[in-house]
Amino acid sequence: EAQVTQNPRYLITVTGKKLTVTCSQNMNHEYMSWYRQDPGLGLRQIYYSMNVEVTDKGDVPEGYKVSRKEKRNFPLILESPSPNQTSLYFCASSLQGRSYEQYFGPGTRLTVT
Amino acid sequence: AQSVTQPDIHITVSEGASLELRCNYSYGATPYLFWYVQSPGQGLQLLLKYFSGDTLVQGIKGFEAEFKRSQSSFNLRKPSVHWSDAAEYFCAVGRSGSARQLTFGSGTQLTVLP
Repeated sequence: EAQVTQNPRYLITVTGKKLTVTCSQNMNHEYMSWYRQDPGLGLRQIYYSMNVEVTDKGDVPEGYKVSRKEKRNFPLILESPSPNQTSLYFCASSLQGRSYEQYFGPGTRLTVT
Repeated sequence: AQSVTQPDIHITVSEGASLELRCNYSYGATPYLFWYVQSPGQGLQLLLKYFSGDTLVQGIKGFEAEFKRSQSSFNLRKPSVHWSDAAEYFCAVGRSGSARQLTFGSGTQLTVLP
């Protein structure tokens, strides 16, 4: 089944404790992206990747890091999480080409205390 | 920079009634426009998209949307709403010549009354 998976789905952590949220897709998509969703703000893009070893900042990259060493994986790293990073995070992927459609993962709900 | 406005935070309709969700965008060039739906506890699913051509686009689940350049709008419609349509709906615009780099609106929560 074609899908985007994220782990963990739920995470509660403390300020300053490094964490990684994994994202993996099995559709051989070149493009991957991370978003955060906050009430009243919709989804805002954190980082995206056009292909392996090619990443770029989105609208709200501060406090986040990403890497793209393999085509299927695009982990999101919070080196020193803070309470304002409490949010719902989505990973998405899509194919190159004009008729692209972004496939979204199920989301990761992160709480930083 | 592009932006998307969904003026209705919450809409309530009765099952079987028609639905229109509003979306206005701001973008300098011809936009790529999208509607996504998010069911409770789920990720987003693409309902429909507009790139060019016919301004009335059909999507999944019986939804359609009309692109009106003069009004900078891309409103989503459905003639008869089902209880399963209760969800949050997001309009999005593609930027920088690439639809994969999306700017989302703040969303409209749809409640369907029996």
